[in-house]
Amino acid sequence: GQNIDQPTEMTATEGAIVQINCTYQTSGFNGLFWYQQHAGEAPTFLSYNVLDGLEEKGRFSSFLSRSKGYSYLLLKELQMKDSASYLCAVGPSNTGGFKTIFGAGTRLFVKA
Amino acid sequence: EPEVTQTPSHQVTQMGQEVILRCVPISNHLYFYWYRQILGQKVEFLVSFYNNEISEKSEIFDDQFSVERPDGSNFTLKIRSTKLEDSAMYFCASSASRQYGYTFGSGTRLTVV
Repeated sequence: GQNIDQPTEMTATEGAIVQINCTYQTSGFNGLFWYQQHAGEAPTFLSYNVLDGLEEKGRFSSFLSRSKGYSYLLLKELQMKDSASYLCAVGPSNTGGFKTIFGAGTRLFVKA
Repeated sequence: EPEVTQTPSHQVTQMGQEVILRCVPISNHLYFYWYRQILGQKVEFLVSFYNNEISEKSEIFDDQFSVERPDGSNFTLKIRSTKLEDSAMYFCASSASRQYGYTFGSGTRLTVV
């Protein structure tokens, strides 16, 4: 099966940088995704890594190492509105699958 | 910005009743999905739909569930005989390509009593 592990909760200070790690035990997938989900709302797409390395998008960057089964999401210049859950997801399989599998998410609390 | 629309936002139903959850995906997207999220748990895959047929489904998506795209815009999820454990937030999503990120609808909160 597919296993995705993320820390359950993290706390960081406004203006700081935080790194949310994700490890996975699956292979043969097309890409690794990060989504943001505020409480009671739908996930929103943040980033997508196909190749190893860093993808930067404004205050958010995401990194992938397929050989290590590891990704992280880096959030810079944290704002209070960044308090949310961050979901690591992998998929679809490169053998013709369609689904994306989500981790349980990391709840980030940003404090003043 | 284009969005995925879901109706209703909340639905309360009695155990054993049928429910239909409705979604209007983004118009030029080709891939459609239903996911659910039980309160406090992870987002779980139910089914994907492409080229007018189910392309993949999970173990959760048993005979009680069905999906339809009755016309060019709507995408529905039907639960034939609801159980208490079907209570969850149901998200519809669409994407332009199999490898792209999803756009999710705002969800339907289903409560089975």
